[in-house]
Amino acid sequence: GAGVSQSPSNKVTEKGKDVELRCDPISGHTALYWYRQSLGQGLEFLIYFQGNSAPDKSGLPSDRFSAERTGGSVSTLTIQRTQQEDSAVYLCASSLGAGEDTQYFGPGTRLTVL
Amino acid sequence: GQQLNQSPQSMFIQEGEDVSMNCTSSSIFNTWLWYKQEPGEGPVLLIALYKAGELTSNGRLTAQFGITRKDSFLNISASIPSDVGIYFCAGHGRGGSQGNLIFGKGTKLSVKP
Repeated sequence: GAGVSQSPSNKVTEKGKDVELRCDPISGHTALYWYRQSLGQGLEFLIYFQGNSAPDKSGLPSDRFSAERTGGSVSTLTIQRTQQEDSAVYLCASSLGAGEDTQYFGPGTRLTVL
Repeated sequence: GQQLNQSPQSMFIQEGEDVSMNCTSSSIFNTWLWYKQEPGEGPVLLIALYKAGELTSNGRLTAQFGITRKDSFLNISASIPSDVGIYFCAGHGRGGSQGNLIFGKGTKLSVKP
């Protein structure tokens, strides 16, 4: 596609429910990143994929968070048993390769946990 | 871990004025990037800096990579209403993960016509 797309754009869920957030990177980009942006804050790194593998999961805040990537393309971020503090905008970015290649961001998914 | 301190947190300026914002860190960064984020959108890359001392312009925007590798500034000249948004500095740190960016907390710019 022309750019990074994310779905849904907005998600409202009840505390304790599981949610899945989807990211479609730019075609041909091998690296994919997930970030979280809380209100009035900068972006916080969550996880990084090179191809289908995740060399770095260090930013995932708890074991309720997981992510996978299939076919070197689409990625899904799953949050289990959501808590109110999970409310944030979840941003996905992709780059041609890893390292210092330019990262292009999607519009994000705004998650609200009631 | 590595952190970026960005200032000011917010700015309210008149159209036509020049703007300056900066980022500092206690540790060295290999790259400095400046992004702009508008409401409901993801950040968009404005300028990328890869060498200490590098000064780069993109239209009315000018950014510099500090010689110590621990700071960077972004200047916007002759601001216009569409410059409104949140500006983030970001960098690739040394060691650690491949490619993940560390972000400052942003400078929110408001421009009065």
